[in-house]
Amino acid sequence: DAGVIQSPRHEVTEMGQEVTLRCKPISGHDYLFWYRQTMMRGLELLIYFNNNVPIDDSGMPEDRFSAKMPNASFSTLKIQPSEPRDSAVYFCASSALGAIAKNIQYFGAGTRLSVL
Amino acid sequence: GQNIDQPTEMTATEGAIVQINCTYQTSGFNGLFWYQQHAGEAPTFLSYNVLDGLEEKGRFSSFLSRSKGYSYLLLKELQMKDSASYLCAVRDDGGATNKLIFGTGTLLAVQP
Repeated sequence: DAGVIQSPRHEVTEMGQEVTLRCKPISGHDYLFWYRQTMMRGLELLIYFNNNVPIDDSGMPEDRFSAKMPNASFSTLKIQPSEPRDSAVYFCASSALGAIAKNIQYFGAGTRLSVL
Repeated sequence: GQNIDQPTEMTATEGAIVQINCTYQTSGFNGLFWYQQHAGEAPTFLSYNVLDGLEEKGRFSSFLSRSKGYSYLLLKELQMKDSASYLCAVRDDGGATNKLIFGTGTLLAVQP
């Protein structure tokens, strides 16, 4: 398997613009997670899905952030409008339940977002 | 509240052994994970403990004491490539969620 695939790898945009980050989880995984990582706050969970349904979005900073998972192989995280304080690395991760899989989360390479 | 503590930075010498500690206070517990993250890269899974005791995997071992809310990651025969950030994470199963709560990471520098 190719692992978790994220795009784009880098995004530079101007304040006020809409940003869409994309993620393809590992095939067969039924959990998908979106994280944000900054030097100040470390790795923070924004939202996670189980079987395409959002389960916990308590980490989403504000209404400017939204996430969707229209099917088992695709998810998006959208920021509209973007602000400079949104600059961070955004990771997507996926996992599967079971005694062998142990629900270990596997991370994508991340999207480095810079909002000018 | 939920809190995971680990040292911010550590330095060790190539070929030596280093122990990275992690203490946690969470509303629920269903496993503790260690991840390695090289600069500019994604976290990669190292180890998983759900029962008390030591789990060994090559040069890396991880220990858990649930009663003490304590874990450590032991790295033996250190190599320069082990220079990275090591993240401790607890799966909080309180309320039947599946969230991982991450510590801020320990930045390990391996010196020649």
